[in-house]
Amino acid sequence: NAGVTQTPKFRILKIGQSMTLQCTQDMNHNYMYWYRQDPGMGLKLIYYSVGAGITDKGEVPNGYNVSRSTTEDFPLRLELAAPSQTSVYFCASSRQGARNQPQHFGDGTRLSIL
Amino acid sequence: AQSVTQLDSHVSVSEGTPVLLRCNYSSSYSPSLFWYVQHPNKGLQLLLKYTSAATLVKGINGFEAEFKKSETSFHLTKPSAHMSDAAEYFCVVSSKTSYDKVIFGPGTSLSVIP
Repeated sequence: NAGVTQTPKFRILKIGQSMTLQCTQDMNHNYMYWYRQDPGMGLKLIYYSVGAGITDKGEVPNGYNVSRSTTEDFPLRLELAAPSQTSVYFCASSRQGARNQPQHFGDGTRLSIL
Repeated sequence: AQSVTQLDSHVSVSEGTPVLLRCNYSSSYSPSLFWYVQHPNKGLQLLLKYTSAATLVKGINGFEAEFKKSETSFHLTKPSAHMSDAAEYFCVVSSKTSYDKVIFGPGTSLSVIP
């Protein structure tokens, strides 16, 4: 039972490079989320999706893009990496909205921008 | 604006003694509330949730929390700490403006001393 799978687990990027963080879930959940976690700050929502083809911005979307072409996959794209994007990124999914349904989290991608 | 306050950034207890992790929220309506746990280098896992049913909520691994509307609190407790309880704990409140989103507290790091 895989749940939510994130790849890669670790990555170091140079300033200005781009990359895609992958997230896939096998629970047929409609809702998917991307968060970033900075020390002492809790989790901040970057983007979320309520179903295939539908995405919306969270609190901190600048510098990121997402797409949701299938129910299973929700990749997060960094186009021009900046040091401020050094963080731990978590993908999560839930059957319905997070207000009433628990979110299932991946193990995270630890990203450093140098 | 809604917010979640976790009054202690770090709590240290001895194995076998009670655990109390404090959480206060600001909300002008009755929210849903959650506690999540994060073990090192792992994603978040749901401990328990309150969604306007019983005010005393029991979760996994012997944890429970009590919703007190008059105090706007949702403190997490456990009668006897175990070494495996050492982790980061997040209090989470549902968003008033969106069914789809939640707001994370900054987290409390729990250490358990043998």
